[in-house]
Amino acid sequence: GEDVEQSLFLSVREGDSSVINCTYTDSSSTYLYWYKQEPGAGLQLLTYIFSNMDMKQDQRLTVLLNKKDKHLSLRIADTQTGDSAIYFCAGVDNNAGNMLTFGGGTRLMVKP
Amino acid sequence: GAGVSQSPSNKVTEKGKDVELRCDPISGHTALYWYRQSLGQGLEFLIYFQGNSAPDKSGLPSDRFSAERTGGSVSTLTIQRTQQEDSAVYLCASNAGGGGTGELFFGEGSRLTVL
Repeated sequence: GEDVEQSLFLSVREGDSSVINCTYTDSSSTYLYWYKQEPGAGLQLLTYIFSNMDMKQDQRLTVLLNKKDKHLSLRIADTQTGDSAIYFCAGVDNNAGNMLTFGGGTRLMVKP
Repeated sequence: GAGVSQSPSNKVTEKGKDVELRCDPISGHTALYWYRQSLGQGLEFLIYFQGNSAPDKSGLPSDRFSAERTGGSVSTLTIQRTQQEDSAVYLCASNAGGGGTGELFFGEGSRLTVL
């Protein structure tokens, strides 16, 4: 089945760019996702990328997809303290009834 | 309601007691997931329901854990003889299955504390 890996922790200063990385094993996932979890809340979809795209930009967010290396990244420009949260990448396991599989989450801490 | 609803939002129980956690998914969503999240940790997959297919129970940590989904809608996660290590936030999520972008909608979670 799908295996999704992320680094656990990232600390940046306010105004810097943040880059959160993710690797996955199942290349058949039609979409790849980034979810954000703020303290005490459930997860919310932040952005997603279709598998035939290399890049998707949405305001301060840039998603890069390298299918050859099975590598997904999320770049947050001009990181703000409100961006402090846990970020999860996820892919679809097409061999398990289209079940979403999440990485372990990257905790982003933004220092003022 | 418009979103995924979970109850109770908080549950404190004594070790050895049974607990039931409820999830009411978004109407029409065929897929339903349960996850567990311990303090400051990532998501631990527990169980996945998709339509009328047999559920994927591969994430359930022990036979004290069980879940059912009645009528393809509401789901109940039951933990028998609770242990302190069961303390966590239990998250439920649903989506429309394989259609669309596959976006998963999460409830706010049920925080379980086992004393």
